[in-house]
Amino acid sequence: GAVVSQHPSWVICKSGTSVKIECRSLDFQATTMFWYRQFPKQSLMLMATSNEGSKATYEQGVEKDKFLINHASLTLSTLTVTSAHPEDSSFYICSANRGSYEQYFGPGTRLTVT
Amino acid sequence: GESVGLHLPTLSVQEGDNSIINCAYSNSASDYFIWYKQESGKGPQFIIDIRSNMDKRQGQRVTVLLNKTVKHLSLQIAATQPGDSAVYFCAEWGSQGNLIFGKGTKLSVKP
Repeated sequence: GAVVSQHPSWVICKSGTSVKIECRSLDFQATTMFWYRQFPKQSLMLMATSNEGSKATYEQGVEKDKFLINHASLTLSTLTVTSAHPEDSSFYICSANRGSYEQYFGPGTRLTVT
Repeated sequence: GESVGLHLPTLSVQEGDNSIINCAYSNSASDYFIWYKQESGKGPQFIIDIRSNMDKRQGQRVTVLLNKTVKHLSLQIAATQPGDSAVYFCAEWGSQGNLIFGKGTKLSVKP
């Protein structure tokens, strides 16, 4: 089956620092990847659509200068949370599309900003 | 549209009973729906899907029902087991290939 990995699985950082999260499709190429954010006891909310070789598309209310997305290859998308604050603490989940109606999720990254 | 749930509804069932989890979706034009299971601290795990040209689909111990008239999905789990305890989300396929998630329901199975 298709596998998507995320690294790191959890990270703790200090307020004001930046954190990079990687999302990799291990056994398939993905021209499109998605980044979701999930707060405790809530649903997954789409943050942005990451397209290989082009700029990411951000959902309304998501600051593109704060959440930098780079989809440098067909198997890797990165999300960088810049100048992180405690309110950015959340569970970040990526997914990758392999074809029509095929989307595979990563295991998630728990970010805690102190 | 997107759904945000501040408090997850909880369904508590006895082991061995059947569970029914319900979900309302927003876009009448959506043509593909998926149910996911999410355990604590993990990513969503695919359970079963259904296309809009169907009203029922069965898998192993799970059945999804789709009522397009009222924009309603349900997930039925037969003979619920403790390992089924998790949060369950329905999702509809968005126009950009993204998934739009419902609010989620926490299933708690009592042994």
